[in-house]
Amino acid sequence: AQSVSQHNHHVILSEAASLELGCNYSYGGTVNLFWYVQYPGQHLQLLLKYFSGDPLVKGIKGFEAEFIKSKFSFNLRKPSVQWSDTAEYFCAVNADNYGQNFVFGPGTRLSVLP
Amino acid sequence: GAVVSQHPSWVICKSGTSVKIECRSLDFQATTMFWYRQFPKQSLMLMATSNEGSKATYEQGVEKDKFLINHASLTLSTLTVTSAHPEDSSFYICSATTPTGTYEQYFGPGTRLTVT
Repeated sequence: AQSVSQHNHHVILSEAASLELGCNYSYGGTVNLFWYVQYPGQHLQLLLKYFSGDPLVKGIKGFEAEFIKSKFSFNLRKPSVQWSDTAEYFCAVNADNYGQNFVFGPGTRLSVLP
Repeated sequence: GAVVSQHPSWVICKSGTSVKIECRSLDFQATTMFWYRQFPKQSLMLMATSNEGSKATYEQGVEKDKFLINHASLTLSTLTVTSAHPEDSSFYICSATTPTGTYEQYFGPGTRLTVT
């Protein structure tokens, strides 16, 4: 069965620090990859997605992610975080043998200190 | 575009009663809707997948007789928690996909269920 892991449970950064959140998945076939963000008390919002093409994808709010197929990874990055980026971040994978179903990673809580 | 709503946003019910949660796609027709459960500080766990007009497909370990899912139209799916128990207390989230086949899911705001 597919699985998605996220390297860090909780990341604490100061404002203006750079961010990288790791995401790895276990599936050798074709995948669609997503990063979602859940701000406190709010619903999941799509940050960015990768279906095919350029492995470096840019999303909203200055986030980007790089798909490295050989490493089964889809890490999320932001060069300079803000206090408003404090949220829970979820990596999700849709595999070509799993219909439209997503497998979510466990999530990484990001706390940005002002 | 692609907005999904849920109602109610929160509900408190007594043990043994049933509660229904609605999930609506407001500006698109949702061929497939998904129901997730999220425990505090944990990830989303897929409970079931529903397609309009057909029976839902439940994930392993999810009791289909306890969590009744009805996808009666292309814009509405309902989840009914029957004979609720305190351990059913959780955050229930629905999502929907559009007919475009891009596999992107649009999430509702969630419903917090507390069973007393």
